[in-house]
Amino acid sequence: GEDVEQSLFLSVREGDSSVINCTYTDSSSTYLYWYKQEPGAGLQLLTYIFSNMDMKQDQRLTVLLNKKDKHLSLRIADTQTGDSAIYFCAETDTGRRALTFGSGTRLQVQP
Amino acid sequence: DTEVTQTPKHLVMGMTNKKSLKCEQHMGHRAMYWYKQKAKKPPELMFVYSYEKLSINESVPSRFSPECPNSSLLNLHLHALQPEDSALYLCASSQEMRNTEAFFGQGTRLTVV
Repeated sequence: GEDVEQSLFLSVREGDSSVINCTYTDSSSTYLYWYKQEPGAGLQLLTYIFSNMDMKQDQRLTVLLNKKDKHLSLRIADTQTGDSAIYFCAETDTGRRALTFGSGTRLQVQP
Repeated sequence: DTEVTQTPKHLVMGMTNKKSLKCEQHMGHRAMYWYKQKAKKPPELMFVYSYEKLSINESVPSRFSPECPNSSLLNLHLHALQPEDSALYLCASSQEMRNTEAFFGQGTRLTVV
């Protein structure tokens, strides 16, 4: 079955870059996603990448995909206190067609 | 309009009550989802509707009963729940079941007493 893993916690200073990592096991993953969840709120889709891409950039966000190692990362440039949240990576494959989430990484941004 | 609206935001119910959670989207999406999220855990898929037909049921207990009355609405009927069913219930929708961009509602925080 699918398995998506993330480190649980990351703390950075305001203005620094944050890098949140994710590994997955399903080689048939087609899309990989990053979602942000603030306390008590739903999930906000930040970005996604198709499995035949290596990199995707969107303003302060850069997603890197190493398909050989099944490793996905999200880099947030110039991290702000408003970026403090839980970040989930997720994947879908052609068979399942529904999101499988990682355990989430809590990002704490210190002023 | 990229909103998925869930009501109510909070719900407290007894174990003998019957209640319903509601979800609405007007993006023309044909796939709608219910997820359950326990504290400090990722969301877990419960049900998927595609074109108003139940497509995936992740072996959810029958005390949870989904309903999709039309392409914009998704309900989750609750009956005889247990305290361990207390969680955040999230609704999501996407254009199709391939889920390239799934939009989530803010969730209903359910407490079973």
